[in-house]
Amino acid sequence: GESVGLHLPTLSVQEGDNSIINCAYSNSASDYFIWYKQESGKGPQFIIDIRSNMDKRQGQRVTVLLNKTVKHLSLQIAATQPGDSAVYFCAHVSNAGGTSYGKLTFGQGTILTVHP
Amino acid sequence: KAGVTQTPRYLIKTRGQQVTLSCSPISGHRSVSWYQQTPGQGLQFLFEYFSETQRNKGNFPGRFSGRQFSNSRSEMNVSTLELGDSALYLCASSLAWGSGTEAFFGQGTRLTVV
Repeated sequence: GESVGLHLPTLSVQEGDNSIINCAYSNSASDYFIWYKQESGKGPQFIIDIRSNMDKRQGQRVTVLLNKTVKHLSLQIAATQPGDSAVYFCAHVSNAGGTSYGKLTFGQGTILTVHP
Repeated sequence: KAGVTQTPRYLIKTRGQQVTLSCSPISGHRSVSWYQQTPGQGLQFLFEYFSETQRNKGNFPGRFSGRQFSNSRSEMNVSTLELGDSALYLCASSLAWGSGTEAFFGQGTRLTVV
């Protein structure tokens, strides 16, 4: 049958606004979570990570929140700039045994567009 | 220090051919993982190597294989190429394998199969 591409969620914001990008995961064995930013023509770039024994971690202009109860992860970007425009992926690492151990599983991604 | 280097950046191959992609990790990193990125499937894990041994693998057919050398450089090979193998192939390096280690990605190799 005809293949269907992923329809990535999109988020459009004005420069200076705060952005919140959300991600849901299903694997209860995940204990390490990472947010990546991917600009056109480039590989994913590490932004921030968080372990499952934490519920919040802050970096420079970014904050990651982890809610293990509902298996939800979010990335908050403060004072969003045009240079933040990219696709943002959440990823998690399984601590289950076997050949899945340590494997990065990526979400589908969210397209962030920042308007000047 | 230098980042993850993938070569070549672009490749065009014909169906049925085979291809080898190369990845040089960050100096000191011993784990190399490979991912396939397509518009239809997103980022999918292929396999991970550490100390020249494949530590885990994704759900790809046996046409996809890889290896790692003693200097931690890695290659992946795809045999009997199909049109659906057209994708961006990404390599990531990290200090060690397993949960809790930050992975750094290269810029990828864009493979087009015609």
